[in-house]
Amino acid sequence: AQSVTQLGSHVSVSEGALVLLRCNYSSSVPPYLFWYVQYPNQGLQLLLKYTSAATLVKGINGFEAEFKKSETSFHLTKPSAHMSDAAEYFCAVSVARAGTALIFGKGTTLSVSS
Amino acid sequence: GAVVSQHPSRVICKSGTSVKIECRSLDFQATTMFWYRQFPKQSLMLMATSNEGSKATYEQGVEKDKFLINHASLTLSTLTVTSAHPEDSSFYICSAAVGGSSTDTQYFGPGTRLTVL
Repeated sequence: AQSVTQLGSHVSVSEGALVLLRCNYSSSVPPYLFWYVQYPNQGLQLLLKYTSAATLVKGINGFEAEFKKSETSFHLTKPSAHMSDAAEYFCAVSVARAGTALIFGKGTTLSVSS
Repeated sequence: GAVVSQHPSRVICKSGTSVKIECRSLDFQATTMFWYRQFPKQSLMLMATSNEGSKATYEQGVEKDKFLINHASLTLSTLTVTSAHPEDSSFYICSAAVGGSSTDTQYFGPGTRLTVL
């Protein structure tokens, strides 16, 4: 079975500071990994995904994540936070089988202060 | 980009009544649609997976007779909460995938807030 653990339910950073949101996964088979962002009153939007190609994945809005098999991690980073990055972030895992749904972590709320 | 809509965005109903939530893929055909439930400050929990023209596959613990899912076309799936009770109050979110591969991006609707009085 697959699972995702997001360390830290709430992360606060200053504008311009590094953003680091942690995600660890558990999977008995090679996983596909995703990061989604949810802004208030909006649906989830895909930031980036890892599907067994390059381990460093670049996404939208300046975010990137690195797949580290040895650490079973897929942490999300952004060099410089912007006020507009304040949102809820979800890490999710899937497996290489057609029609499978995503297993989500509990989410991390990112706050950005000026 | 691909857009998924949900209707209504929020609904308040009395206990014992049924509520239907629609999920539409507006600019693409969705082979598979998923229904999730999200409790406050918690993650999304998969309720069921539906493929057009076939019966939905429900996750363990989800009552299929209570949460009726119909996927009548490649652009529309509906979730009906039958005989709703206050414990059914939640945020219901659908997603749609273009293809059948698990690497296909899922596009999420904005969610429906259900409050059962």
